[in-house]
Amino acid sequence: DAGITQSPRHKVTETGTPVTLRCHQTENHRYMYWYRQDPGHGLRLIHYSYGVKDTDKGEVSDGYSVSRSKTEDFLLTLESATSSQTSVYFCAIKGEYTEAFFGQGTRLTVV
Amino acid sequence: AQSVTQLGSHVSVSEGALVLLRCNYSSSVPPYLFWYVQYPNQGLQLLLKYTSAATLVKGINGFEAEFKKSETSFHLTKPSAHMSDAAEYFCAVSFSGNTPLVFGKGTRLSVIA
Repeated sequence: DAGITQSPRHKVTETGTPVTLRCHQTENHRYMYWYRQDPGHGLRLIHYSYGVKDTDKGEVSDGYSVSRSKTEDFLLTLESATSSQTSVYFCAIKGEYTEAFFGQGTRLTVV
Repeated sequence: AQSVTQLGSHVSVSEGALVLLRCNYSSSVPPYLFWYVQYPNQGLQLLLKYTSAATLVKGINGFEAEFKKSETSFHLTKPSAHMSDAAEYFCAVSFSGNTPLVFGKGTRLSVIA
């Protein structure tokens, strides 16, 4: 298995609170991604990174921010959680011209 | 914009029957194409990938897919379904080595004994 760890694996939080999800890799891959998975929508890209401090927005970036201060860590922050952000969040890593490898996911519930 | 369409959100087959999961993409340039499988409460696992080599790609667990440029398709097949194949399957496309993958909405495969 690719060395990707997501934390926490499960979280329940209240509306309006900030939440940070962490993705850690041991593969030294350049590209890292955050997707959310919702029934009927498949996986949608939130943000991605193509290097330390180099990030870009994806399809569903509103309400989310990211940071990558080290190659191995990619953080996703929900600035003020809303119920519409209840979802399963997946981190993925990718080398150039390779497939993406996925973490086990974080199930986030906003109440 | 690049996109992927998976026909059928749910496919049901009998054990031992042919599995066919459909995927079409939109692209004006040769894409990289992938099929992933997701078992309940798990992450996504790569089944197979097409990266402009052979058009018939063989993957794990007996699955294969054929890239047909004229039809912009990359359908996933398996000759004989097994109960353990029950899962959700995602088709994904990328248009260069360093662009994010764009996913279809997924197809849930049920296998009936």
